[in-house]
Amino acid sequence: AQSVTQPDIHITVSEGASLELRCNYSYGATPYLFWYVQSPGQGLQLLLKYFSGDTLVQGIKGFEAEFKRSQSSFNLRKPSVHWSDAAEYFCAVVGSNDYKLSFGAGTTVTVRA
Amino acid sequence: DVKVTQSSRYLVKRTGEKVFLECVQDMDHENMFWYRQDPGLGLRLIYFSYDVKMKEKGDIPEGYSVSREKKERFSLILESASTNQTSMYLCASSGQDDEQYFGPGTRLTVT
Repeated sequence: AQSVTQPDIHITVSEGASLELRCNYSYGATPYLFWYVQSPGQGLQLLLKYFSGDTLVQGIKGFEAEFKRSQSSFNLRKPSVHWSDAAEYFCAVVGSNDYKLSFGAGTTVTVRA
Repeated sequence: DVKVTQSSRYLVKRTGEKVFLECVQDMDHENMFWYRQDPGLGLRLIYFSYDVKMKEKGDIPEGYSVSREKKERFSLILESASTNQTSMYLCASSGQDDEQYFGPGTRLTVT
């Protein structure tokens, strides 16, 4: 069964600074990988996804993520954060022959002025 | 615009009550899911359905049941609510590409 680890529970970053959120997955075959964002009181919104092909994936709101098979990682990055990026971020994985997502525990991002 | 709606944003129920949480999607998706979200635990899958009248247990099905009589509607049922079922409940649906679309969530409090 697949699993996801997000090592950082909480990250604080200054507005305008860069952001990187870590995600490590465990899955025997080729995974499908996702990053979701949840603003306070809201449902989850998809930021980006990786199925195959180019390992650097561009998403919405200026986010990107890089799939590294050798490290079993799918880290999320943004070069310059905005106050509106304060939210909880979830990494998720699904097997290519499955449709059940496994989520990490989430990383809460706080943006200070 | 794709849409997943949930019947209530906030719900307060008493211990022992039967609780129904409704979810409707308008994307003609085959797959529908119910998760609960708790701080520090992320989202945990309760049940999912890959077709009408079909259901499968997720990771934490105990104390819950589901119903899918129509393709667009997936209901989560708490037969006898308990305080440890106080949580945020999220519904999602997906089609062929595995991307899941989420509803806004229902925050359930059981007193």
